Amino acid sequence: GAVVSQHPSWVICKSGTSVKIECRSLDFQATTMFWYRQFPKQSLMLMATSNEGSKATYEQGVEKDKFLINHASLTLSTLTVTSAHPEDSSFYICSARAMGGGKADTQYFGPGTRLTVL
Amino acid sequence: AQSVTQLGSHVSVSEGALVLLRCNYSSSVPPYLFWYVQYPNQGLQLLLKYTSAATLVKGINGFEAEFKKSETSFHLTKPSAHMSDAAEYFCAVTNFGNEKLTFGTGTRLTIIP
Repeated sequence: GAVVSQHPSWVICKSGTSVKIECRSLDFQATTMFWYRQFPKQSLMLMATSNEGSKATYEQGVEKDKFLINHASLTLSTLTVTSAHPEDSSFYICSARAMGGGKADTQYFGPGTRLTVL
Repeated sequence: AQSVTQLGSHVSVSEGALVLLRCNYSSSVPPYLFWYVQYPNQGLQLLLKYTSAATLVKGINGFEAEFKKSETSFHLTKPSAHMSDAAEYFCAVTNFGNEKLTFGTGTRLTIIP
């Protein structure tokens, strides 16, 4: 149980284009989903917290107009990287917390999406 | 504020030897502690978690960790390393009422045949 999927697993795009990454909880409903960014050989950096039906909360220094997050249902959150540039190339990982759990309850992670911007 | 320190960015052990990955935390309130494992180009998989119940926590794949409040530590151990244990390991901390995880910088475990 507690499986989280991401699509696509990898994407290559041209500079200036937008890319959408999907995060789905497959066997549970997630009131809260989180988006992380991981640079090579580094730890995870939280970008934003997404609650179903409301606006995402972005961490300091993360541009909300560049990284658009939509959490339209209890099983789906999307991250759109708008007007992507090479410096946006990274590994993006989402996680989901099951509905009914406490705030500190376990986050289940997706397999990640590797974005390369040419 | 809360933080996690993982001592040793790289740890190498021989196959069959004891695995010990260190994690120390800082938290002004009782912590919840997690260990995650990440294989190359994959997301994170939960190994085990401590949420104020038993201080010795057993996880998957033969791993366990012990919460020691006096030492503010939550070290991860496995009695006998297997080649498949080679991966990146992350310790993370949060607390009741806080939904954000704070991750350590990770420890890369290499298993020597």
